[in-house]
Amino acid sequence: GAVVSQHPSRVICKSGTSVKIECRSLDFQATTMFWYRQFPKKSLMLMATSNEGSKATYEQGVEKDKFLINHASLTLSTLTVTSAHPEDSSFYICSAPSRTGYNYGYTFGSGTRLTVV
Amino acid sequence: DAKTTQPTSMDCAEGRAANLPCNHSTISGNEYVYWYRQIHSQGPQYIIHGLKNNETNEMASLIITEDRKSSTLILPHATLRDTAVYYCIVRPGGSQGNLIFGKGTKLSVKP
Repeated sequence: GAVVSQHPSRVICKSGTSVKIECRSLDFQATTMFWYRQFPKKSLMLMATSNEGSKATYEQGVEKDKFLINHASLTLSTLTVTSAHPEDSSFYICSAPSRTGYNYGYTFGSGTRLTVV
Repeated sequence: DAKTTQPTSMDCAEGRAANLPCNHSTISGNEYVYWYRQIHSQGPQYIIHGLKNNETNEMASLIITEDRKSSTLILPHATLRDTAVYYCIVRPGGSQGNLIFGKGTKLSVKP
């Protein structure tokens, strides 16, 4: 089945530094990648949608200059948290749809636990 | 997408069937019912989906009422590893838009 590989699984960084999270589709082409953020004991919240070869679309309240998304190829999408602050500490998850007959299946990465100290 | 309502939490004894309900009274004719689960600190995992017929796979069974206003996910023999948050999501057939997650049901399987 479709697999999305997400790295790193956890990262600790200092305030003010940037962190890049990668999501690769291993056996299918991901023209679209959804990026979610999840705070402790909360549900997943969509941050942005990236499409290969075009600019990402961001949900209301998500700073596009802080969360840079690049989707330069059909198998790789990256999320860079720039000038990270402790309030950016969260669980970040990517997801890509892949066609399964009439409908689409959604494959999720394993998530990245970001801790900003 | 139609809104869903699920109990906040449920307990189940190991080895017994876990029945997780979901209410989706505003579901429209072309919307499917999907179930995902999220084990702690992992990405969500697809379980099963259906339109109006009951469905079964190696993980679970999905029972959808005739009026399609509610459904039940059944894990026939729950194990400790089934402890997770279970999300019921409805969405249009053929759509590749993002999944919208509600609060889900925290299922705790106890020895």
